[in-house]
Amino acid sequence: SQQGEEDPQALSIQEGENATMNCSYKTSINNLQWYRQNSGRGLVHLILIRSNEREKHSGRLRVTLDTSKKSSSLLITASRAADTASYFCATDIRGTYKYIFGTGTRLKVLA
Amino acid sequence: NAGVTQTPKFRVLKTGQSMTLLCAQDMNHEYMYWYRQDPGMGLRLIHYSVGEGTTAKGEVPDGYNVSRLKKQNFLLGLESAAPSQTSVYFCASSYPPGKGGGVGETQYFGPGTRLLVL
Repeated sequence: SQQGEEDPQALSIQEGENATMNCSYKTSINNLQWYRQNSGRGLVHLILIRSNEREKHSGRLRVTLDTSKKSSSLLITASRAADTASYFCATDIRGTYKYIFGTGTRLKVLA
Repeated sequence: NAGVTQTPKFRVLKTGQSMTLLCAQDMNHEYMYWYRQDPGMGLRLIHYSVGEGTTAKGEVPDGYNVSRLKKQNFLLGLESAAPSQTSVYFCASSYPPGKGGGVGETQYFGPGTRLLVL
């Protein structure tokens, strides 16, 4: 079964609005990462947050991590049409070298 | 600096045929990964390698074999292709934790190989 599950599966918003997507996972982690995938392309790394961090910012991105709830959220502020993509969380499995990806959130930003 | 490249970009196979997918990276990464992506399933780890000459199984290794004879290359083989292996295959590479000047565990992905098995 998937380690990470994103919610919602799909999200459609207007340009300028904020987009929030969530990720839940099952086991203890060292870090959690968010990736973006444009249609038909490879994944691109957005941000990494470690298990001892609670919040991290990068440009218009804000990521939070709650290890007690085993969940993370990705906030994209002031969204643009170019943010239209699928977003995936990835969690490492502590004690291994493996990363498990969630099923993704498909974001559509309408101009 | 090409990053991660994958060959071929697209391939059609008949059931029972074999093929090898090639992944190459020029970033001197120790770790390399093979994933498959199916609609609604996200990415699933097939095999991975933490160094030249070493490989290990991921979530869905059955029907696949891999080899890492050179640090920069990671090959994924299908000995006898089945329709269930129709998918998009992605290769990724990364530094080990604590290395890479701060980028650490960030995975760098190739553009993918679309495989259709008839």
